[in-house]
Amino acid sequence: SSELTQDPAVSVALGQTVRITCRGDSLRTYYASWYQQKPGQAPVLVIYGKNNRPSGIPDRFSGSYSGNAASLTITGAQAEDEADYYCNSRDSSGKVVVFGGGTKVTVL
Amino acid sequence: EVQLVESGGGLVQPGGSLRLSCAASGFTFTTYSMNWVRQAPGKGLEWISYITSGSSTTYYADSVKGRFTISRDNAKNSLYLQMNSLRDEDTAVYYCTRDVIAAAGSYDYWGQGTLVTVSS
Repeated sequence: SSELTQDPAVSVALGQTVRITCRGDSLRTYYASWYQQKPGQAPVLVIYGKNNRPSGIPDRFSGSYSGNAASLTITGAQAEDEADYYCNSRDSSGKVVVFGGGTKVTVL
Repeated sequence: EVQLVESGGGLVQPGGSLRLSCAASGFTFTTYSMNWVRQAPGKGLEWISYITSGSSTTYYADSVKGRFTISRDNAKNSLYLQMNSLRDEDTAVYYCTRDVIAAAGSYDYWGQGTLVTVSS
């Protein structure tokens, strides 16, 4: 199975833009999904597929791809966006799903 | 309203067994593939198992293969995870998740989780 790698932590000033990256060979074949998790809560899907937002997710969240990397961009970060963000994707077999280690986003 | 409610967690000794359940409501359960995802205390997310809508196909993470069994009862709108030969490292919150249709691996609904503690 392949791995997905994320930076452990990033910070962003209120109202500014932050990009979180997820790297892995499987991302050349399969789309990533992105989840937001706040302390003590279940994760919430924020982006899936090429760049799809579930109902209720603000349009300041967007996804993109380049080579073996997927990125989640928060444009105009809000205080409520402070959370852990995880990517996931299928591995090269297509049968197993792997998660990245997560990125803690701090809004300053 | 879509709801996934897990139950069955608790304290179990190493080598013991536990069966988790997930009650689904608010959607046509028979249409969706389902998964179990876990999170050890203070750690990241780990996918552990998948089952198709009609139970024809199941997949497992290497960490649980041969010890855990996923199943579902579509008549009862329920998903299950039978966990045998439990180890300390299986201690985690276990989440039931629903696949986005036509986007397997994307989970649009999660339960609140049930805590499994493996300890002597």
